[in-house]
Amino acid sequence: DGGITQSPKYLFRKEGQNVTLSCEQNLNHDAMYWYRQDPGQGLRLIYYSQIVNDFQKGDIAEGYSVSREKKESFPLTVTSAQKNPTAFYLCASSIGYWEEPQHFGDGTRLSIL
Amino acid sequence: LAKTTQPISMDSYEGQEVNITCSHNNIATNDYITWYQQFPSQGPRFIIQGYKTKVTNEVASLFIPADRKSSTLSLPRVSLSDTAVYYCLVEGSQGNLIFGKGTKLSVKP
Repeated sequence: DGGITQSPKYLFRKEGQNVTLSCEQNLNHDAMYWYRQDPGQGLRLIYYSQIVNDFQKGDIAEGYSVSREKKESFPLTVTSAQKNPTAFYLCASSIGYWEEPQHFGDGTRLSIL
Repeated sequence: LAKTTQPISMDSYEGQEVNITCSHNNIATNDYITWYQQFPSQGPRFIIQGYKTKVTNEVASLFIPADRKSSTLSLPRVSLSDTAVYYCLVEGSQGNLIFGKGTKLSVKP
């Protein structure tokens, strides 16, 4: 089955640590996205990538970094500069950028120890 | 940027038709309107997408008036399993991906 896989489902981080969230898709989609969701809130765009080796900041990119070395992979690193990292992180992909429906993974819940 | 506004919550009963309206006054010419459904601790799932007039698929209809400043998602004969949060998304060529806070739909027996 084609889809998006996010791992791990739950992740814990100590203060001052960087952590990397994995996102893999086998849908052959060009565009990929990372969102953050806080309790009772909508989704906020962190970064997006329209094509391999290219990515753009979204609305809340500070304290996060990404890479897009392969079409199927778009890992997100939550750095120690992100002061409030506890949230639900969602990865998505689409055939092309905008106007195409996004396919989402089932998220990674990050908590601070 | 095209900000979206939706009701925070709605209640319905099984078998009823539910209409959820989203306001997007600043929608741009090239923007599309997409609706997603999200269950707790899961990623959103695509429901329907449109640009203007009416779009229908096997699960929902989407009505978009001529001025495109709003859109209405229509769910026919809802069931308990339709209890979820519904998001309206305006997707634009200028990098706009604005999810609203969503509408929490509660379907009661």
